[in-house]
Amino acid sequence: NAGVMQNPRHLVRRRGQEARLRCSPMKGHSHVYWYRQLPEEGLKFMVYLQKENIIDESGMPKERFSAEFPKEGPSILRIQQVVRGDSAAYFCASSPRKAGGQNTEAFFGQGTRLTVV
Amino acid sequence: AQSVTQLDSQVPVFEEAPVELRCNYSSSVSVYLFWYVQYPNQGLQLLLKYLSGSTLVESINGFEAEFNKSQTSFHLRKPSVHISDTAEYFCAVSAGAAGNKLTFGGGTRVLVKP
Repeated sequence: NAGVMQNPRHLVRRRGQEARLRCSPMKGHSHVYWYRQLPEEGLKFMVYLQKENIIDESGMPKERFSAEFPKEGPSILRIQQVVRGDSAAYFCASSPRKAGGQNTEAFFGQGTRLTVV
Repeated sequence: AQSVTQLDSQVPVFEEAPVELRCNYSSSVSVYLFWYVQYPNQGLQLLLKYLSGSTLVESINGFEAEFNKSQTSFHLRKPSVHISDTAEYFCAVSAGAAGNKLTFGGGTRVLVKP
């Protein structure tokens, strides 16, 4: 069972370009979470998705950022018109469907390091 | 809403010495508690977790953490560190109704010196 797969591992974009970050959750996991880690800071929650639904996007910037988790294929975090301040590591995590209300752990991918030049 | 405070941003420690990383949280609901480790240029790996039951939890590589509800703490300890324990350690909490959304502390960087 492969872990959470993120690609690319490193992404360089010029200011104004679009960045697309992909996340394939672990097999059988239907919950996906995106986090951002700015340099010298901890991880900050961005968005929580289930298949075809955005459940909680309270951590997403109001503009330029969007996320989706289609019925088929990976989850995508899309950043339009990137700026230098978007440079960060973006981590995806997945978890299985909750069983009986018991909260379970999230498994993290290795992240995509975005550099805006 | 939850918040997590890791009081020490960096902890230098000599090899084979003990280490304690402090973590305090605040929450209006019951929480689940986690410690993650991040090695340089890597993703996060779960070190240990508290969901319910015994308040003392242990990892396979010698770390342990104790959930103290009255002090709202979940400090991480290891009695004897190795060079390979050099990494950044993150404390995190989640509340059941919010799914697995994690709130992280700012991290503690552990540097083990020979």
